[in-house]
Amino acid sequence: TQLLEQSPQFLSIQEGENLTVYCNSSSVFSSLQWYRQEPGEGPVLLVTVVTGGEVKKLKRLTFQFGDARKDSSLHITAAQPGDTGLYLCAGGGDSWGKLQFGAGTQVVVTP
Amino acid sequence: EAQVTQNPRYLITVTGKKLTVTCSQNMNHEYMSWYRQDPGLGLRQIYYSMNVEVTDKGDVPEGYKVSRKEKRNFPLILESPSPNQTSLYFCASSSYDRAPVEQYFGPGTRLTVT
Repeated sequence: TQLLEQSPQFLSIQEGENLTVYCNSSSVFSSLQWYRQEPGEGPVLLVTVVTGGEVKKLKRLTFQFGDARKDSSLHITAAQPGDTGLYLCAGGGDSWGKLQFGAGTQVVVTP
Repeated sequence: EAQVTQNPRYLITVTGKKLTVTCSQNMNHEYMSWYRQDPGLGLRQIYYSMNVEVTDKGDVPEGYKVSRKEKRNFPLILESPSPNQTSLYFCASSSYDRAPVEQYFGPGTRLTVT
């Protein structure tokens, strides 16, 4: 079983600050997805990266897939209270349909 | 509105009493999956289905059953629930048109087994 480790587990910052969360594995993934989950709801897909070294931007969120496709990072610029949530990374392997999720990083942005 | 629905949203039951959690999607997705979410462990896949009548085990299938008789429905069955199955359960679906698989999740079912 491929293992995805996310760090930090918890992050509390003030509005306007920047933050980075990490997703690391010793295994290679064919794709890497980031989801955000809010209390009482299911995870919502933010982005999918598939190419080693790929960088994708979604407004103030920047996602990067490591060159070796074993790790990824999510950077938020000028965080806002609406960015509060549990950020989950999920790795796709050779078998279509099987996703391996990390335990998540809980981000709290206070006004 | 495109969505994945789960019922019930909350369920408290006793050990050994069979229960079914329903999942339905209206997006004509081929792929459906069940996960459980526990603190510190993230989402773990229980079972998934690539299409009607095609199901396969995920990482934690013990104690669960599924069926896929119709494309839109994918119920999760606990024949004899035990307290260690107390968890938050999510159903998800996806289409082969969207590769790699990008999953749409339901709102979750919080199950407590006493």
